[in-house]
Amino acid sequence: AQKITQTQPGMFVQEKEAVTLDCTYDTSDPSYGLFWYKQPSSGEMIFLIYQGSYDQQNATEGRYSLNFQKARKSANLVISASQLGDSAMYFCAMRSQYNFNKFYFGSGTKLNVKP
Amino acid sequence: GAGVSQSPSNKVTEKGKDVELRCDPISGHTALYWYRQRLGQGLEFLIYFQGNSAPDKSGLPSDRFSAERTGESVSTLTIQRTQQEDSAVYLCASSLETSGNIQYFGAGTRLSVL
Repeated sequence: AQKITQTQPGMFVQEKEAVTLDCTYDTSDPSYGLFWYKQPSSGEMIFLIYQGSYDQQNATEGRYSLNFQKARKSANLVISASQLGDSAMYFCAMRSQYNFNKFYFGSGTKLNVKP
Repeated sequence: GAGVSQSPSNKVTEKGKDVELRCDPISGHTALYWYRQRLGQGLEFLIYFQGNSAPDKSGLPSDRFSAERTGESVSTLTIQRTQQEDSAVYLCASSLETSGNIQYFGAGTRLSVL
């Protein structure tokens, strides 16, 4: 069975500092994809970054990077130079290449950026 | 349209009534997903459509829930005889069937069952 775990229900970070949001996953499938989404208070889910399980390098998208440690089954999101607009819920998700249909989401982390 | 559109944005209904929620995917996206998000929780998969293939209904919580999609167009999620535990935000997402399979989400429908 696939499972995503986000152990930090809430996080605070000072503006302009970096923050790491934790995500661990459980799967027995050899090939899978990992995703991070941002959900601001407006409710819309916004795609941030994707990491394939066979990708050799950690994914980066602007201020977002994914610290992928395959042996530990972790896919932490790093946000550099935090901005007030980064305050939102962040969800980690996984999809197996063998079960194309389903995405499995974690319970989310609420990030608050302090001025 | 440019993004995934859902309507209504808010729906208040009485227990026992039926509701229909609508999702307009991004044009050209063959895959469409419905999720339920209860207050303060993550997303629960409900149903998946891919082109003209049989949908994956394995996430539907009961037979009161059903969904339809004609081809690669609009989808409707129907909840019959609503219960208070159905109160949640219902999110729709669409995607292309390509490597990575990034989903693009609508703003959701907030359903409140009184």
